[in-house]
Amino acid sequence: SQTIHQWPATLVQPVGSPLSLECTVEGTSNPNLYWYRQAAGRGLQLLFYSVGIGQISSEVPQNLSASRPQDRQFILSSKKLLLSDSGFYLCAWSVISAENSPLHFGNGTRLTVT
Amino acid sequence: AQSVTQLGSHVSVSEGALVLLRCNYSSSVPPYLFWYVQYPNQGLQLLLKYTTGATLVKGINGFEAEFKKSETSFHLTKPSAHMSDAAEYFCAVSGGYQKVTFGTGTKLQVIP
Repeated sequence: SQTIHQWPATLVQPVGSPLSLECTVEGTSNPNLYWYRQAAGRGLQLLFYSVGIGQISSEVPQNLSASRPQDRQFILSSKKLLLSDSGFYLCAWSVISAENSPLHFGNGTRLTVT
Repeated sequence: AQSVTQLGSHVSVSEGALVLLRCNYSSSVPPYLFWYVQYPNQGLQLLLKYTTGATLVKGINGFEAEFKKSETSFHLTKPSAHMSDAAEYFCAVSGGYQKVTFGTGTKLQVIP
């Protein structure tokens, strides 16, 4: 069966510090991968998605970047965090060849920028 | 373009009462519709999905949803609420690859 791992679960970082959040998927090959951010009362905001190694699409301009160095690894990064980067970050995967494939989410990382 | 509107950011029901969470969608193509549930400090878990075919979709934990094209609705129901149903519920619409739009969520409170 497929599993998705996301870490760390919680993170407190000072403004201006770098960020690296990692997500890995097991039990499937060549998935679509996604990074979402969730803010209270605002639903889920798609930040990045990837259809293959090295292929990243950004949905919103921001202080963050994403990379996919391996087929089942997706990394969210920032060089200098802002207070507004605080939030709950969710990684997800879906079947690349299925238009109606649901998203499968990790357990999220709660980031607090102080 | 596609969008989802969830009516009511908070819904309270008594244990054993009917649960009804409302979702209306807008999509320029035949939509794929989903309901997800999120427990505190966890990711989202798929409850059910509508693709094509039968308009009444059954999901996990006794939930079901009915796709009504004429009303552009996909409301989530459960006949009898349980304390363990307390969570946040998200409706989502997909109009194609990678294009999933989520509603802002409805927090369900179950009163004993």
